[in-house]
Amino acid sequence: EAGVAQSPRYKIIEKRQSVAFWCNPISGHATLYWYQQILGQGPKLLIQFQNNGVVDDSQLPKDRFSAERLKGVDSTLKIQPAKLEDSAVYLCASSLVGRSTDTQYFGPGTRLTVL
Amino acid sequence: LAKTTQPISMDSYEGQEVNITCSHNNIATNDYITWYQQFPSQGPRFIIQGYKTKVTNEVASLFIPADRKSSTLSLPRVSLSDTAVYYCLVGGYGNKLVFGAGTILRVKS
Repeated sequence: EAGVAQSPRYKIIEKRQSVAFWCNPISGHATLYWYQQILGQGPKLLIQFQNNGVVDDSQLPKDRFSAERLKGVDSTLKIQPAKLEDSAVYLCASSLVGRSTDTQYFGPGTRLTVL
Repeated sequence: LAKTTQPISMDSYEGQEVNITCSHNNIATNDYITWYQQFPSQGPRFIIQGYKTKVTNEVASLFIPADRKSSTLSLPRVSLSDTAVYYCLVGGYGNKLVFGAGTILRVKS
């Protein structure tokens, strides 16, 4: 079974530039999550999708971050404009239904460096 | 959301049993306890989940006392490859999982 795919794996940009990350979840998984993990900290949930609808985006900085999951499969997370403090690993995860008791399967992440 | 408290780091030697305890004093009735493992440059990986008493799978055991205010992840006979960060999470149906800082486990030869 293929796991969660993410691209790119690494990205370096200047502050105020824009960047986009892509995620392809495990086939058949209805729920997709985007996390931000700053060095030395645990992952922080940014947004959770159930199919193509948003379940929770309470911690998404909406003035600069946006995410979409068209057709309920792939998802894109965008940052525009980027700030220095956005340097982090962006993790995508998926689960079958979306209950907190469901196992979340994580991708390898995209490491973003903002200079 | 139940807050969890774990040790920041632990050291062990190969072949030893490692127990990592997590405190979650305000756990709710419908909350489950889940542990994830994360290696450098990888996403977290599910280890084990439980509600009460003891759960065992092929890689770990989870001990939960009757009051459920804490839980202990037990890793039998650790090896160097078990060096990782271990996260304890608490959540119930509809409640999002919140990752804390986790416990850095270092296994030495």
